[in-house]
Amino acid sequence: EPEVTQTPSHQVTQMGQEVILRCVPISNHLYFYWYRQILGQKVEFLVSFYNNEISEKSEIFDDQFSVERPDGSNFTLKIRSTKLEDSAMYFCASRQGGYGYTFGSGTRLTVV
Amino acid sequence: QKEVEQDPGPLSVPEGAIVSLNCTYSNSAFQYFMWYRQYSRKGPELLMYTYSSGNKEDGRFTAQVDKSSKYISLFIRDSQPSDSATYLCATHTGNQFYFGTGTSLTVIP
Repeated sequence: EPEVTQTPSHQVTQMGQEVILRCVPISNHLYFYWYRQILGQKVEFLVSFYNNEISEKSEIFDDQFSVERPDGSNFTLKIRSTKLEDSAMYFCASRQGGYGYTFGSGTRLTVV
Repeated sequence: QKEVEQDPGPLSVPEGAIVSLNCTYSNSAFQYFMWYRQYSRKGPELLMYTYSSGNKEDGRFTAQVDKSSKYISLFIRDSQPSDSATYLCATHTGNQFYFGTGTSLTVIP
């Protein structure tokens, strides 16, 4: 069964450092998303991406965040200057159309 | 007001029990509703999605939507230890999905 692949599974970074979280969506999917889940809290929408541009973003997705689809397969989330409160599980998701996402297993980001 | 509200539990039931998981939502314009299952340290996995009001059944799982009361439910029959996970309800408008906080379920053998 096709999967959304995320790397790394766990990233530890120092406050103020830049991090790039990587995702390989399912190959024939058209819509791409980043969500985050702070420990013990709900899954929160960050950004959606379609046709090589951001289609929607939440208030969380401020100027410190950016997304890119540098080639036909990867989809990345960059956090420019990490803060302690950025520590969370970050989930990439994709869908072809319809109403169901396929999520990756997530990247656990720990900012120290 | 939160788009989707869900009792976080935790919920603990014996194997074979019928489980009822519930959510309420705020916006009457929502039409599509989903249930996701999330195992520890894994991404959410789509279980079921429904449109508008009514029931949808898939094996031991039944999703129910009552638009008049803005209430969505997931029933699990003959619950198994492998059903132990967090269950998240979700809905969407446009390109943005809204998730409940998730209900943690433990099925005891």
